[in-house]
Amino acid sequence: QKEVEQDPGPLSVPEGAIVSLNCTYSNSAFQYFMWYRQYSRKGPELLMYTYSSGNKEDGRFTAQVDKSSKYISLFIRDSQPSDSATYLCAMSGLRTGGSYIPTFGRGTSLIVHP
Amino acid sequence: GAGVSQSPRYKVAKRGQDVALRCDPISGHVSLFWYQQALGQGPEFLTYFQNEAQLDKSGLPSDRFFAERPEGSVSTLKIQRTQQEDSAVYLCASSPGLNYGYTFGSGTRLTVV
Repeated sequence: QKEVEQDPGPLSVPEGAIVSLNCTYSNSAFQYFMWYRQYSRKGPELLMYTYSSGNKEDGRFTAQVDKSSKYISLFIRDSQPSDSATYLCAMSGLRTGGSYIPTFGRGTSLIVHP
Repeated sequence: GAGVSQSPRYKVAKRGQDVALRCDPISGHVSLFWYQQALGQGPEFLTYFQNEAQLDKSGLPSDRFFAERPEGSVSTLKIQRTQQEDSAVYLCASSPGLNYGYTFGSGTRLTVV
């Protein structure tokens, strides 16, 4: 079992829908949680960055972290065709040696159709 | 530059060849990471630098993989005697320090034939 589990999809939704993307994890040492968006043949782009449990909102995006359930979510409101991409969750915690190195999920492919 | 720059964008190597992949991080970024991304998978950690010091190389798959960052800025990932299973996108990311968001380059797509 991988440390970070993420359903690869694809997830297909109509324009304007609310999208929910999720990851589960097994390492209780994870403290920092990130969501990245990756377009085809591009590098991942940081969308949201949160510490510990709670919610964080940025425009149409809301990130939620539930450390007790080891479950994180990204919500996208009023989804647009331009949101079509792969969404990667990533998380990190203190490792031996004092570094924080993100561990990524495999990504969920999102398709928003007009 | 404004972002993380990687070169070349595409590399085709014959099995057994050595390759060198370059990463120019954002100026002043202390931390630099290399990841390997196979098709349809998330990035897998290879190695991490803080300035010129390689603090973690636990993700390097074999001793054919070697990375350096001699002056604490540009980094090179070298793969010796390439094999077909090395075919992947190699991503470089940098950040100002610990626990910041990481900025990725567009990657180098390596195909070993």
